[in-house]
Amino acid sequence: NAGVTQTPKFRVLKTGQSMTLLCAQDMNHEYMYWYRQDPGMGLRLIHYSVGEGTTAKGEVPDGYNVSRLKKQNFLLGLESAAPSQTSVYFCASSYTDGGNFNQPQHFGDGTRLSIL
Amino acid sequence: AQSVAQPEDQVNVAEGNPLTVKCTYSVSGNPYLFWYVQYPNRGLQFLLKYITGDNLVKGSYGFEAEFNKSQTSFHLKKPSALVSDSALYFCAVRDSSGGSYIPTFGRGTSLIVHP
Repeated sequence: NAGVTQTPKFRVLKTGQSMTLLCAQDMNHEYMYWYRQDPGMGLRLIHYSVGEGTTAKGEVPDGYNVSRLKKQNFLLGLESAAPSQTSVYFCASSYTDGGNFNQPQHFGDGTRLSIL
Repeated sequence: AQSVAQPEDQVNVAEGNPLTVKCTYSVSGNPYLFWYVQYPNRGLQFLLKYITGDNLVKGSYGFEAEFNKSQTSFHLKKPSALVSDSALYFCAVRDSSGGSYIPTFGRGTSLIVHP
């Protein structure tokens, strides 16, 4: 059981380039999330999805887009990378347990992204 | 609105001594509370949660946490620290009364256990 898998694990981009980060989960979870982690800032939510075909903005959505065409996959796109987007990106998933929202999140091991 | 605070950026403890990592929260209704641990170059791993019932919750790796409603706290504890417990610890809260179903995370506390 792989859980949450993120690809790639590392990437270096030049300013202005675009890329897509892939998150895949094999637990049939409804909810999926993208976070960024920066030193001293904790985790900040970028976008999230409550089900296939739906997405919503989080705390820091600017400069990012997402898509959830399949329930198991959640893609994070950077259209025109900027140095401020240098960060570690984490994907997570969770299930709702009948709408109680009391279940923990399962995290991938992150994508380390550097924008030069 | 929901919020969570981890008042200590870093906690230092000697191996074998008890450890406490502090967390306080604010919610409108009743809280769902979670602790996660993050080892270097890894994602967050779930340790334990409080939903309802017994105020003392036991979790993975010998950790436990005590829910205190009057003090709005959910401190993480372990009776005897190990060097391998050194990691970053995050507290998170969800308000069970509705509103946002997205959890709010604290900024994290770095636990350093000295041999």
